[in-house]
Amino acid sequence: KAGVTQTPRYLIKTRGQQVTLSCSPISGHRSVSWYQQTPGQGLQFLFEYFSETQRNKGNFPGRFSGRQFSNSRSEMNVSTLELGDSALYLCASSPDLGEQYFGPGTRLTVT
Amino acid sequence: GIQVEQSPPDLILQEGANSTLRCNFSDSVNNLQWFHQNPWGQLINLFYIPSGTKQNGRLSATTVATERYSLLYISSSQTTDSGVYFCAVEWTNDYKLSFGAGTTVTVRA
Repeated sequence: KAGVTQTPRYLIKTRGQQVTLSCSPISGHRSVSWYQQTPGQGLQFLFEYFSETQRNKGNFPGRFSGRQFSNSRSEMNVSTLELGDSALYLCASSPDLGEQYFGPGTRLTVT
Repeated sequence: GIQVEQSPPDLILQEGANSTLRCNFSDSVNNLQWFHQNPWGQLINLFYIPSGTKQNGRLSATTVATERYSLLYISSSQTTDSGVYFCAVEWTNDYKLSFGAGTTVTVRA
């Protein structure tokens, strides 16, 4: 079974731009979660989707948004990028509750 | 306050040594996982262990849910064991993992 895939793997953007990251879960998994990892804040939860419904959202500004499609693939969008948005963005999938499996991440640099 | 606490924050080992990493959590959990983050940033699943004991090669883990802690044991450590180890928990019906700050393990040849 293929693992969780994330695209792109690396991204460089300028302050004020917007960015869209994509995540394809493991086949059959209906839950997709997103996390941000920075040296200062560690791993922080962004949001979780199950069957196209957001079930939980972390404490991030409204510039961070996400969605899930009917095939369980998910995208997250960050608008009006700030320098502090530079981070490793990780996506995880699971069948519903239970063990979560992470993708390789997207490393975003904002200049 | 801190809800998932890992100790020690840093660990330096000589190759072949054994070690124990600890994770304390502040409430009952549906899910507890241990991960190893590789140098490229990917989180590698080590154990899914909300309770009980599991072993996988040189690694083993024990979670005592009633006392709200989990232990990860590394035996006969190798240089490839170096990296950051994370404990993450999912509180009841929370639909997210809350991560500890991690333990950075360095194994010297």
